[in-house]
Amino acid sequence: IAGITQAPTSQILAAGRRMTLRCTQDMRHNAMYWYRQDLGLGLRLIHYSNTAGTTGKGEVPDGYSVSRANTDDFPLTLASAVPSQTSVYFCASSDSWTSSPLHFGNGTRLTVT
Amino acid sequence: DQQVKQNSPSLSVQEGRISILNCDYTNSMFDYFLWYKKYPAEGPTFLISISSIKDKNEDGRFTVFLNKSAKHLSLHIVPSQPGDSAVYFCAASATRAGGTSYGKLTFGQGTILTVHP
Repeated sequence: IAGITQAPTSQILAAGRRMTLRCTQDMRHNAMYWYRQDLGLGLRLIHYSNTAGTTGKGEVPDGYSVSRANTDDFPLTLASAVPSQTSVYFCASSDSWTSSPLHFGNGTRLTVT
Repeated sequence: DQQVKQNSPSLSVQEGRISILNCDYTNSMFDYFLWYKKYPAEGPTFLISISSIKDKNEDGRFTVFLNKSAKHLSLHIVPSQPGDSAVYFCAASATRAGGTSYGKLTFGQGTILTVHP
């Protein structure tokens, strides 16, 4: 089934540790995004990539980095995790040259202790 | 500063009746609006969208209304079904910045809809 795969599904991480959340899509979408969902705040954009080789900052980029080496993969890295990064992280993709809606993965629930 | 607001955290409706979910926005640059539905432990799924050149868009049981002067949009579900019980997110984007802006969405806080049999 075509779509977005995120890994891991959940993770408990000690503060100060490095963590990479993985995201792979098989729809050949040119654009990919990382959002975090927090209660009372909805989803907020962390980073995005319009095409392979390019990335951009969203609304809440601090403490996170991304790379886009190819069309399919868009990993999100927390270099040194802090408790405020406890959240549910969603990866999404779209054909950014049209108004096609975002397709989301099932999320990674991250707890930083 | 929340640019997209859903002021009702929850809504409870009887099966067969109409569900109305509301959303307000403050950024006048927003010109494309969407509703997403989310079940527990799943990612949001797209429901319906509307461009600012329209004031209404229908898709089966779902209709979205846009009032640009009031910066308000609403989602109507008629008739409501128990399977509609989920969290509904309103989202907006400013597409005039270029085609690459369609996916850079600003979301509301979400409204939990419960449809009782």
